[in-house]
Amino acid sequence: DGGITQSPKYLFRKEGQNVTLSCEQNLNHDAMYWYRQDPGQGLRLIYYSQIVNDFQKGDIAEGYSVSREKKESFPLTVTSAQKNPTAFYLCASSLGTERYEQYFGPGTRLTVT
Amino acid sequence: QQPVQSPQAVILREGEDAVINCSSSKALYSVHWYRQKHGEAPVFLMILLKGGEQKGHEKISASFNEKKQQSSLYLTASQLSYSGTYFCGTGRDNYGQNFVFGPGTRLSVLP
Repeated sequence: DGGITQSPKYLFRKEGQNVTLSCEQNLNHDAMYWYRQDPGQGLRLIYYSQIVNDFQKGDIAEGYSVSREKKESFPLTVTSAQKNPTAFYLCASSLGTERYEQYFGPGTRLTVT
Repeated sequence: QQPVQSPQAVILREGEDAVINCSSSKALYSVHWYRQKHGEAPVFLMILLKGGEQKGHEKISASFNEKKQQSSLYLTASQLSYSGTYFCGTGRDNYGQNFVFGPGTRLSVLP
């Protein structure tokens, strides 16, 4: 079955540690996205990538980093520089640009204490 | 710039209708609609493009007024499964640089 997978579903970390969230898709999509969602809030774009080896900052990129070495994979690292990292993180992919719908993974709930 | 959604929340009885609105201060190329249930990922409902093209689920209807930079999602004969938060996302062009989601409209359908 085609789809997007994110792992792990729940992640707990101590403050000051970097953590990497996984996102893999087998839909052969060119574009991939990372969103952050806080309780009762909308989706805010962290980073997006339209092709391999290229990515762009979204609205809230500070304290985060990404890589896109393979078409299928778009991992997100939450660094210790991110001041309030506890949130629900969603990865999505699409055929590309605003003409196409986004398919979302199940999300990773990160808790930093 | 984030689009505005209205209402913020709505409560319906099963079988009633609802309209959710999304508006932008900028000219739009596309409007997307997604539904998210609590703790789950958003699910695609519909895309409306400048020029009139639409694609989405058969049972969902929506409109896009390009001149007013507004879109409306129409939920008719609501079912319990319609409950969730509805997000619109707006794109100002087709270059992947200006897509942004609205704050969401929480819909509750009661028996």
